[in-house]
Amino acid sequence: DIQMTQSPASLSASLEEIVTITCKASQGIDDYLSWYQQKPGKSPQLLIYDATSLADGVPSRFSGSRSGTQYSLKISRPQVDDSGIYYCLQSYSTPFTFGSGTKLEIK
Amino acid sequence: EVQLVESGGGLVQPGRSLKLSCVASGFTFSNYGMNWIRQAPGKGLEWVAYISSGSSYIYYAETVKGRFTISRDNAKNTLYLQMTSLRSEDTALYYCARLGLRALDYWGQGVMVTVSS
Repeated sequence: DIQMTQSPASLSASLEEIVTITCKASQGIDDYLSWYQQKPGKSPQLLIYDATSLADGVPSRFSGSRSGTQYSLKISRPQVDDSGIYYCLQSYSTPFTFGSGTKLEIK
Repeated sequence: EVQLVESGGGLVQPGRSLKLSCVASGFTFSNYGMNWIRQAPGKGLEWVAYISSGSSYIYYAETVKGRFTISRDNAKNTLYLQMTSLRSEDTALYYCARLGLRALDYWGQGVMVTVSS
């Protein structure tokens, strides 16, 4: 099974910062990597697919990148509304595996 | 508008069975693979099962293999999850999600399953 190691577990940031969340895959996943945002009491929502492509309706302050088998989600000039829990997912092979999540607070 | 609506959850005793349904609308259901994902209270997301558009390919997480069965009825635009031999650790919010763009691009609102005596 492919392991997705996500960090940090939690993060607090201000409106002026750049937020970066990373997921390292235990093996190559050919960019079958997506990012999700989940707010309390809500279903997860797709932000990024194919490692770098922005999903429809997602603000451009969200972006994705890759370096080797490490994938990153960046939020530039986050808004208070970006607070929530963020997960990565590899869909390269079953079992699909999620990262453990990053709880983000924007102050 | 794409919609996925789960139903069938509830309180069930350990060892018993339950069947979840997910009704899809707003897209051509028969063209997409579908998934079940669950989230235990206060925990992260766990992928449970996948079924291809024509039901030819089916995969399960090891934690549910042999106990859960994913299926679909494309004529009824409905995805199912038959759960048997339920355990306390199966207690979770169960989501159905569409596999599109090589990602889970649409999710339902979730249905709660509680396994307790």
